[in-house]
Amino acid sequence: GQQLNQSPQSMFIQEGEDVSMNCTSSSIFNTWLWYKQDPGEGPVLLIALYKAGELTSNGRLTAQFGITRKDSFLNISASIPSDVGIYFCAGSLTQGGSEKLVFGKGTKLTVNP
Amino acid sequence: DGGITQSPKYLFRKEGQNVTLSCEQNLNHDAMYWYRQDPGQGLRLIYYSQIVNDFQKGDIAEGYSVSREKKESFPLTVTSAQKNPTAFYLCASSRDRNRNTIYFGEGSWLTVV
Repeated sequence: GQQLNQSPQSMFIQEGEDVSMNCTSSSIFNTWLWYKQDPGEGPVLLIALYKAGELTSNGRLTAQFGITRKDSFLNISASIPSDVGIYFCAGSLTQGGSEKLVFGKGTKLTVNP
Repeated sequence: DGGITQSPKYLFRKEGQNVTLSCEQNLNHDAMYWYRQDPGQGLRLIYYSQIVNDFQKGDIAEGYSVSREKKESFPLTVTSAQKNPTAFYLCASSRDRNRNTIYFGEGSWLTVV
């Protein structure tokens, strides 16, 4: 089936550093979504991208829908301790006449104060 | 506040017992979903429902059952046929099946001993 390759699997950074993570696939996606999940909680939607090339910001977060529609990245600027968590990408693609949502396996972010 | 409410948050059951997890949403969304999350794996779709009184199997439906008698509610039953039921279960909803910006509940931890 379709797979999303999310990288890196984990990151250890110092407070104040910028962070970048991405998701790639061999499939073409119609929508890209980025979520953050805190331990023991449900994922929270951070950014939704609907058009190829779209660049969207949400505070210190910026995400882009790749021009080939096969990838997306998420950047976090000036990281702070509360950025700790697991970040998931998700992409939707058309399959059998309906939309299917595929998830990456997540990037675990650790921020050292 | 609008949102998705899952209950209970934590549930312990003996092996061989059926268990029902509740999911209620007041977002007026047509589509609802159940995902299972295991460490090191991406989210896996168990069942989804596009409209009241209709639901479809996801990728790992065996050992689970659902109902959709009301738009707001989509309970999941983990039956004794599910071989490895201990997991974190996430309910989600979207405006409709083909608008894949989905929002998650806070999750339910099920431990079967």
